[in-house]
Amino acid sequence: AQSVTQPDIHITVSEGASLELRCNYSYGATPYLFWYVQSPGQGLQLLLKYFSGDTLVQGIKGFEAEFKRSQSSFNLRKPSVHWSDAAEYFCAVGGTISNFGNEKLTFGTGTRLTIIP
Amino acid sequence: DAGVTQSPTHLIKTRGQHVTLRCSPISGHKSVSWYQQVLGQGPQFIFQYYEKEERGRGNFPDRFSARQFPNYSSELNVNALLLGDSALYLCASRHSRGHPNTGELFFGEGSRLTVL
Repeated sequence: AQSVTQPDIHITVSEGASLELRCNYSYGATPYLFWYVQSPGQGLQLLLKYFSGDTLVQGIKGFEAEFKRSQSSFNLRKPSVHWSDAAEYFCAVGGTISNFGNEKLTFGTGTRLTIIP
Repeated sequence: DAGVTQSPTHLIKTRGQHVTLRCSPISGHKSVSWYQQVLGQGPQFIFQYYEKEERGRGNFPDRFSARQFPNYSSELNVNALLLGDSALYLCASRHSRGHPNTGELFFGEGSRLTVL
């Protein structure tokens, strides 16, 4: 069974500081990995995704993530956070999209990011 | 282009009642999925439909059902509501198989259901 662990429930960083949100996954095959962001009362917006190829992926809003197969990790990073980055961040893992019936995403429990001035 | 649209945005029901939630996918998307997000948790997969057929089902009771229409819109139905069904229900759509971005899910803003 696939699973995602986000060990940090809540992180507080100062505006302008760097950020790293941790994500570990369990999946029996090559996973598809995603990071989504959710602002209060809103739906989910995709930040970035990893399907294959280069293990360092760039996303929107200056975010990047690195896939490390040996560590089963897909950590999200940003060199300098802005106050508008305050939100809930979810890591997700999915199966191959060529096998219909296995398209579900399994999400972690999320990390709430607070930015202080 | 319009994103995934869901209705209603908020609703309040009492225990034992029935609810229908609606979702219109992005134009051209033939796959629709439903997720339940309980407060403080990540979304949980409920159903996935592609070309009007159920393609995946999560670990939810039979009180939950869904369908997809010829125009690819979808309904999620929940019968005999329980307090624990209170959640944000998210609909997501994706491109058809073969599209280079097939793997990407686009989410709507959700329908927030409160069961009293």
